[in-house]
Amino acid sequence: AQSVSQHNHHVILSEAASLELGCNYSYGGTVNLFWYVQYPGQHLQLLLKYFSGDPLVKGIKGFEAEFIKSKFSFNLRKPSVQWSDTAEYFCAVIPYNTDKLIFGTGTRLQVFP
Amino acid sequence: GAGVSQTPSNKVTEKGKYVELRCDPISGHTALYWYRQSLGQGPEFLIYFQGTGAADDSGLPNDRFFAVRPEGSVSTLKIQRTERGDSAVYLCASSLELAGGHTGELFFGEGSRLTVL
Repeated sequence: AQSVSQHNHHVILSEAASLELGCNYSYGGTVNLFWYVQYPGQHLQLLLKYFSGDPLVKGIKGFEAEFIKSKFSFNLRKPSVQWSDTAEYFCAVIPYNTDKLIFGTGTRLQVFP
Repeated sequence: GAGVSQTPSNKVTEKGKYVELRCDPISGHTALYWYRQSLGQGPEFLIYFQGTGAADDSGLPNDRFFAVRPEGSVSTLKIQRTERGDSAVYLCASSLELAGGHTGELFFGEGSRLTVL
C-alpha cells in the first residue's frame, strides 16, 4: 500500500548532538513533501517543505531536509539539537494529483541537557 | 485568537452515544480538513471540504462518521453509535486553498480528544 514511513519511532539525544530523522514514501510521480512538528502541549505546525527546485531545503530553527528522488526519501537533519527541540516530528506527503496531506507515524525526539 | 479553534477539547462518552466535534477555521480559509490521530500514530486523513462541499470523504472509516460545513466556515464532525475504537484525538486544519495552495501549509487546531468508555 502507498504510505509514508518513518523508521525512527523514538530518538533520544543529548544537547549539541546531530540529528537525522528518516522519511521514505511510496508514491509515484511528483510529490510535495513536508515536515511538521508538534511541541509538547501545542498544535502541529509546519517545519519545512519541498515543492520543487533545490532538493536541500531549510526550515525554521536550523532544521533542513534533503529530497532524494531516487531513494524516495526526505530526511530531516539538524547539526546541533537543543533541549527545546524535544517534540514529535511528522513527515508528510501530498501525492501527485491529490489534495490530501498524508502523514507518517511520527518520531518522538527527546533531547536531554 | 486567530488560529483554528476546536471544541470541545476533551469529550468523554459512553459506547453507543452520539458525538459532535466542532471546528472553527481561520477566517477566510476555504479549505478545511479533518484528521484522526490515535495513540502512537500519525494523523490519519478523514475528509476535506472546499467551501461547503466535501471534496473527498474517502478517509471516513464507516457510515457512522459524517461531517458538514453548511456555510463554508464552521465544520462539525458527527459520530453516531460511538465505539471504543473511536477513541482518538480528532484534528481539524484549514488553509486558504486546497492542500495549502502555493504555500503547502495547513494550519492545525489543538484537537478534540474523544474517549469512548
